[in-house]
Amino acid sequence: GNSVTQMEGPVTLSEEAFLTINCTYTATGYPSLFWYVQYPGEGLQLLLKATKADDKGSNKGFEATYRKETTSFHLEKGSVQVSDSAVYFCALSGSNDMRFGAGTRLTVKP
Amino acid sequence: EAGVTQFPSHSVIEKGQTVTLRCDPISGHDNLYWYRRVMGKEIKFLLHFVKESKQDESGMPNNRFLAERTGGTYSTLKVQPAELEDSGVYFCASSQGGVNTGELFFGEGSRLTVL
Repeated sequence: GNSVTQMEGPVTLSEEAFLTINCTYTATGYPSLFWYVQYPGEGLQLLLKATKADDKGSNKGFEATYRKETTSFHLEKGSVQVSDSAVYFCALSGSNDMRFGAGTRLTVKP
Repeated sequence: EAGVTQFPSHSVIEKGQTVTLRCDPISGHDNLYWYRRVMGKEIKFLLHFVKESKQDESGMPNNRFLAERTGGTYSTLKVQPAELEDSGVYFCASSQGGVNTGELFFGEGSRLTVL
């Protein structure tokens, strides 16, 4: 069945550091891939998405590229800010449901 | 436009008691999903409503869980009787189209603690 594996956290970075959160997936067919973010005290919200191979999703300085050959969708940001502190979830959609990873908690220190 | 709202935000009950969680989706969203996250693990799918019909309930752990969506508006998830392993955060999400057509809009979650 479809599944997502993302790097375990927590991840702690200093402000302006480079961020990578790894995500790999297993799926049949051609799923869409997503990154969701949960800020403290809020619900999950969509950060970015990619619907086919080689697509790059981007938002708020974050990027992720749908790599079919490596079945990956790694999240990157060149310079993190304190306000990026949150839990990040990688997800993929099959025909009827969304499968999520375990989440990676990111803390950015000033 | 109001987002997805969930109630209660936190519930603490004893093993064997009953708890009912409520979700009000975004108005007009036919699709409503329930998910659960246990102890920092992955968010797991429980079930999916399209309007008032259960489209997929393959993720429901056992018959102690009952979900309803009367009239195709709000939904409830009842756990009866609750067990220790039911503790976790229950998320509700809604969408206009299916999961491949657009994003899911999540509520803040209902944290359930079973003692």
